[in-house]
Amino acid sequence: AQSVSQHNHHVILSEAASLELGCNYSYGGTVNLFWYVQYPGQHLQLLLKYFSGDPLVKGIKGFEAEFIKSKFSFNLRKPSVQWSDTAEYFCAVISYSSASKIIFGSGTRLSIRP
Amino acid sequence: DGGITQSPKYLFRKEGQNVTLSCEQNLNHDAMYWYRQDPGQGLRLIYYSQIVNDFQKGDIAEGYSVSREKKESFPLTVTSAQKNPTAFYLCASSGGAGQGRTEAFFGQGTRLTVV
Repeated sequence: AQSVSQHNHHVILSEAASLELGCNYSYGGTVNLFWYVQYPGQHLQLLLKYFSGDPLVKGIKGFEAEFIKSKFSFNLRKPSVQWSDTAEYFCAVISYSSASKIIFGSGTRLSIRP
Repeated sequence: DGGITQSPKYLFRKEGQNVTLSCEQNLNHDAMYWYRQDPGQGLRLIYYSQIVNDFQKGDIAEGYSVSREKKESFPLTVTSAQKNPTAFYLCASSGGAGQGRTEAFFGQGTRLTVV
């Protein structure tokens, strides 16, 4: 079955540490990839997206992600996290071969120690 | 303002009752979705619709029903057959296959509690 996996369920970091959150998907063919963030008490908002072109995409708030097609991965990175990055992060995929169906991973809760 | 409106924000239901959650979008998107969010389980797809008068089951459709009679509206009914309906429900829309398959835009959600 088509799926999206986020292996880190809860990540705890200190401020200024570097961040990498993993995302792997099982779709074949052409995909569009997304990272969303949900701050406490707020609705989901888009961090960044990959449709085509440069596999290294830059998003808001200093986040970036790299699409590695051979590894079916789209990991999220940030060189130096801040306390305000405390949130839940979701990876999502839409496959062109499976109609317009956006599938989300189970999410990674990020806690930043001040 | 363009966006997605879900109502109500909070909803209480007695066991055995059906309840309908509203979702309206003015983004002219072809595709609409309903997700259920539970702690530690991410967003699970309930139903999705690629175009008016058409919809497909997602991964957890049992106990739910939808309709798509208008492009801008995609209401979700939680029926009495849903065994564990207490959850946070999110509606989303996106550009469909003929619109460039955009990212999903989300409403603010409805928190349903069965009492």
